[in-house]
Amino acid sequence: GQQLNQSPQSMFIQEGEDVSMNCTSSSIFNTWLWYKQDPGEGPVLLIALYKAGELTSNGRLTAQFGITRKDSFLNISASIPSDVGIYFCAGLGGSQGNLIFGKGTKLSVKP
Amino acid sequence: EPEVTQTPSHQVTQMGQEVILRCVPISNHLYFYWYRQILGQKVEFLVSFYNNEISEKSEIFDDQFSVERPDGSNFTLKIRSTKLEDSAMYFCAIRPDRAFYEQYFGPGTRLTVT
Repeated sequence: GQQLNQSPQSMFIQEGEDVSMNCTSSSIFNTWLWYKQDPGEGPVLLIALYKAGELTSNGRLTAQFGITRKDSFLNISASIPSDVGIYFCAGLGGSQGNLIFGKGTKLSVKP
Repeated sequence: EPEVTQTPSHQVTQMGQEVILRCVPISNHLYFYWYRQILGQKVEFLVSFYNNEISEKSEIFDDQFSVERPDGSNFTLKIRSTKLEDSAMYFCAIRPDRAFYEQYFGPGTRLTVT
């Protein structure tokens, strides 16, 4: 079945640093979504991408839809402590909109 | 951002018991989804519900699971005879726009089967 591979699995960074993470697949996806999850809570939508090559920003977050449609990237600039959490990529899995999630990148930020 | 609430926030049940998890979107939507997340793992799709019927389901969604929208507002997930491996967070999600695939998740119900 379709699978998404996220890397890195975890990151420990200093406050103020920039962060990059990515999501790759052997299958083509026509839609990519990025979510953030805090412990014990539901995923919160950060950015949605619909076109290959598309670059979209949401505040300090920027995500890109890879040209091959098999990957996506998320960058966070000037990280702050509240950026801590798990970041999931998700690809559109079927015609009814069900999402396939990656295993997540756990971000820790040292003040 | 559309708001979704879920009840209960935590449910503890014994193996073999039936549980009903509830999702209450604040406003009317067409597309509903249930996902689950076993502790420390990724979010997995269970079922999608459109126009008051199941539109797609995963291999996880076997005969012990069912969904319905009994009163046009609440959206429920029933597990008929719970197993230990059903212990997980269960998330309801709504998709407010037919043209786009953005989904908004509720806070989840933590199900613990003992």
